[in-house]
Amino acid sequence: DTGVSQDPRHKITKRGQNVTFRCDPISEHNRLYWYRQTLGQGPEFLTYFQNEAQLEKSRLLSDRFSAERPKGSFSTLEIQRTEQGDSAMYLCASSLQLAGGSSSYNEQFFGPGTRLTVL
Amino acid sequence: KQEVTQIPAALSVPEGENLVLNCSFTDSAIYNLQWFRQDPGKGLTSLLLIQSSQREQTSGRLNASLDKSSGRSTLYIAASQPGDSATYLCAADSNYQLIWGAGTKLIIKP
Repeated sequence: DTGVSQDPRHKITKRGQNVTFRCDPISEHNRLYWYRQTLGQGPEFLTYFQNEAQLEKSRLLSDRFSAERPKGSFSTLEIQRTEQGDSAMYLCASSLQLAGGSSSYNEQFFGPGTRLTVL
Repeated sequence: KQEVTQIPAALSVPEGENLVLNCSFTDSAIYNLQWFRQDPGKGLTSLLLIQSSQREQTSGRLNASLDKSSGRSTLYIAASQPGDSATYLCAADSNYQLIWGAGTKLIIKP
């Protein structure tokens, strides 16, 4: 399978616990994005990486959230001291941004998501 | 700040009808606009991407148009089928992030 993969697909945790999600992008893609989606809403941008550099973080990404992409391949998103409001679908996407080019063809491809439930 | 709105929020039509889903955005300085499909509890499937320099894109029974000057995009679905039932989302690309509408939930009745 050459698409974006995410693990786990579902995670149930108790309030106050830490959780970590993993995303494996399409292999040749240099950009990786994290989004969060709550029921009945469109996704909201959290952060993105160009190779291993984290270039932008949303104000939605509180101090309890941290994302890494250490080797410019897979990425992890960690949530510390989870709260019930963190319950959502966490989506990962990847794209190929050509060097020196504009973003006019920056098509993002999404993984199946990780559904987090905080009890 | 870019805002994306989709109308209607829900739509139910009989099988075989042609239909149009609407997407509007407030900032015309976008790089492209993508339409996605999302089945219940699932991830997002990219349907069409329209670059800012383009007016429309077609894939099978789907046609998406883009009018940057008016801040609008439409997704046209021809000869709808029950398998088209899903939520359709549009997203405006502002370089490093997609700004999303809340989606249109489409139900095609057999």
